[in-house]
Amino acid sequence: NAGVMQNPRHLVRRRGQEARLRCSPMKGHSHVYWYRQLPEEGLKFMVYLQKENIIDESGMPKERFSAEFPKEGPSILRIQQVVRGDSAAYFCASSTQTGDIQYFGAGTRLSVL
Amino acid sequence: GEDVEQSLFLSVREGDSSVINCTYTDSSSTYLYWYKQEPGAGLQLLTYIFSNMDMKQDQRLTVLLNKKDKHLSLRIADTQTGDSAIYFCAEMEPSSNTGKLIFGQGTTLQVKP
Repeated sequence: NAGVMQNPRHLVRRRGQEARLRCSPMKGHSHVYWYRQLPEEGLKFMVYLQKENIIDESGMPKERFSAEFPKEGPSILRIQQVVRGDSAAYFCASSTQTGDIQYFGAGTRLSVL
Repeated sequence: GEDVEQSLFLSVREGDSSVINCTYTDSSSTYLYWYKQEPGAGLQLLTYIFSNMDMKQDQRLTVLLNKKDKHLSLRIADTQTGDSAIYFCAEMEPSSNTGKLIFGQGTTLQVKP
């Protein structure tokens, strides 16, 4: 039973490019959370999705960031026109239902040059 | 408000006990978690405690919860060099009904041989 799978593990982008981060939840999990970890800091909540629905995006920057969790396929966190300040580790977690234990992927480390 | 605080660094000798402390502000939190992060890796769920419990023990790990003081601690008995990592305390934000986690900034545990 594979855990939460994130890819790529490392992503390098130049300023102005787009970054697409993927997350496949654990089998049987339909709830996905995205968190961002800036250097030397803890994780900060970004967005919570269920299949085809964004439930809570209160932690997501208003511009350039978007997330989706389609009926088929992984959840995608998309960052348009990346800036240096977007450099961070982005973690995805999944759970079976709201309020249940969240299991984390290994993260995608984004570096913006 | 919601804020989770941890001390940033702890150094112990191999074989000693480690105690990592955490304070949180939302007394209505239902679940509190401890995650472990090794360098360059994702978060591994170590243990969790429900708010109606005072203590939970799991092999070398003991979690103590003082609801009155909003204080959570993780004790690692017989600490090994493999325990060297960053330990994050997290509470489930109760007011949002989305299950999102609020993390502390992490405690770096250094175990000296």
